[in-house]
Amino acid sequence: GIQVEQSPPDLILQEGANSTLRCNFSDSVNNLQWFHQNPWGQLINLFYIPSGTKQNGRLSATTVATERYSLLYISSSQTTDSGVYFCAVERDSGNTPLVFGKGTRLSVIA
Amino acid sequence: DTGVSQDPRHKITKRGQNVTFRCDPISEHNRLYWYRQTLGQGPEFLTYFQNEAQLEKSRLLSDRFSAERPKGSFSTLEIQRTEQGDSAMYLCASSSDRVFYDTQYFGPGTRLTVL
Repeated sequence: GIQVEQSPPDLILQEGANSTLRCNFSDSVNNLQWFHQNPWGQLINLFYIPSGTKQNGRLSATTVATERYSLLYISSSQTTDSGVYFCAVERDSGNTPLVFGKGTRLSVIA
Repeated sequence: DTGVSQDPRHKITKRGQNVTFRCDPISEHNRLYWYRQTLGQGPEFLTYFQNEAQLEKSRLLSDRFSAERPKGSFSTLEIQRTEQGDSAMYLCASSSDRVFYDTQYFGPGTRLTVL
């Protein structure tokens, strides 16, 4: 089945710094989502981005489907950005289950 | 739109007991998914429904697990004879297949602890 790898596994940032999180996937995909899991376990949708670039405030994401990777950029990080960031791809086509990476644990310190 | 809800949020049980979790999807969503997440891992797929039909069950879903979505709205996940290895966060998500590729929205999860 499709494999999803995320890097780095852990990241510690000073407040105000920028960061880039990477997601590699082993096969072509039709759906790729980025999530932020907060300390209470809630998965919060960040981006639905099977290809191209999107921006939402201090966050942006780029997916290069032909090269099988996606990047999540966090600029001017804040302590509230702390948590685990997951990349997930749809296993097959058309609203099928997601396959998740192991996540990147981000800690932003003041 | 109130989002996906799950109940209970936390459950502590003794080994061997049965537990049941409930998920209420976003009202217009006809696809409903169950995932399980253990410490330090990403969520893993368990089973999913389109309306009331269960489309697939993962090999992770042993015969002690059963899921239903009787009227195509809310869903229940039951674990019989719980084991300590069942301790995990159980997550529910929903999406709409009116759009061929749609975003899955997750509920807050039910955290199960088996003593």
